[in-house]
Amino acid sequence: TQLLEQSPQFLSIQEGENLTVYCNSSSVFSSLQWYRQEPGEGPVLLVTVVTGGEVKKLKRLTFQFGDARKDSSLHITAAQPGDTGLYLCAGEGGNQFYFGTGTSLTVIP
Amino acid sequence: DVKVTQSSRYLVKRTGEKVFLECVQDMDHENMFWYRQDPGLGLRLIYFSYDVKMKEKGDIPEGYSVSREKKERFSLILESASTNQTSMYLCASSPSDRGNYGYTFGSGTRLTVV
Repeated sequence: TQLLEQSPQFLSIQEGENLTVYCNSSSVFSSLQWYRQEPGEGPVLLVTVVTGGEVKKLKRLTFQFGDARKDSSLHITAAQPGDTGLYLCAGEGGNQFYFGTGTSLTVIP
Repeated sequence: DVKVTQSSRYLVKRTGEKVFLECVQDMDHENMFWYRQDPGLGLRLIYFSYDVKMKEKGDIPEGYSVSREKKERFSLILESASTNQTSMYLCASSPSDRGNYGYTFGSGTRLTVV
């Protein structure tokens, strides 16, 4: 099993603030994905990053893959209540994706 | 709208019962997966399948079995339910090129074993 550690585990912020969550591993991944999961639902894919150093933007969300393809970050600018949810990273290794334990984000109006 | 459908959102079963969790996808995906999700432990892979009638053990297969008789359907079976199998169960599917397209998850089945 390849471990992905996410930090922080919990985050509660005011609407309009910026935040960054991290996904770290000692393993190298061929690709890494970020998902968001809302209460009572399954995770939904946000983005896939493949190349070391790659940066992708999805509206107010910026995703970066580490140069060595062992870590990733998700930055949210001007957080909105609709951003509330559990953010999961998943690294592709071998024949499956390995999921992190998640960051639970609450954005307070 | 493409999707993965899990047959039940909530289930309550008694210890020792045989439990069937059904999952159907309408995207003609080759790959299907069963995970369980527990607080602090994240998603853990139970079983997966890359083709009809094919199955592979994941990280925590003990106490579970699976069946994939048709491409679109992947069933998880708890042979004799125990209280430590109380959890959220998530089914997912992906095309063979999962690195680009990722997983599509169902809404989950919250199973309680009493």
